[in-house]
Amino acid sequence: GAVVSQHPSWVICKSGTSVKIECRSLDFQATTMFWYRQFPKQSLMLMATSNEGSKATYEQGVEKDKFLINHASLTLSTLTVTSAHPEDSSFYICSAHRNPILVNTEAFFGQGTRLTVV
Amino acid sequence: AQKVTQAQTEISVVEKEDVTLDCVYETRDTTYYLFWYKQPPSGELVFLIRRNSFDEQNEISGRYSWNFQKSTSSFNFTITASQVVDSAVYFCALRMNTGFQKLVFGTGTRLLVSP
Repeated sequence: GAVVSQHPSWVICKSGTSVKIECRSLDFQATTMFWYRQFPKQSLMLMATSNEGSKATYEQGVEKDKFLINHASLTLSTLTVTSAHPEDSSFYICSAHRNPILVNTEAFFGQGTRLTVV
Repeated sequence: AQKVTQAQTEISVVEKEDVTLDCVYETRDTTYYLFWYKQPPSGELVFLIRRNSFDEQNEISGRYSWNFQKSTSSFNFTITASQVVDSAVYFCALRMNTGFQKLVFGTGTRLLVSP
């Protein structure tokens, strides 16, 4: 079964509103989670690394104030798309490692969230 | 810089054909990890395999097999006797041994298996 749960799986919102996406590790604690964005028929691009109890690390070109990340507990990271616009429409997916210290462990991915801004 | 190249954008085969998906990677690290993930139309990423840079032994799992060639920086994936359910996008990914161990993905290969 899934070890990383992402919610919601899809959301439609109006321009200017904010949308929150949750990523939960179900049976392990994740001090680090990753947020990716995927445009149609394209690859996954890392947006940011979410760190429990501290600020997220954003990749170059990703607006921190646009994509707010909160990792308040060892099993939950949230991504909030603020003041969403149609160009923010995309597939967002999170991942977590069962044990980030052991680098040879695979990343488990959430089911993804398809965001459509109208 | 780390980079993963999947030159095949889309492959179409007929059921029962064998198909190989290519993956070439670039990294200066001596220790790294390679992965293959499957993304069906539903969107979730399904883990298929992980390979360490110091282990060049090829692996077979049912109809799936992987060929890791460090000399050519390639990590190719072969599906034998393909089935319609194999239709998906397949991603090759690279993870270094440093930093937050973030994954660098290739652009993906869309595989379409027709009955």
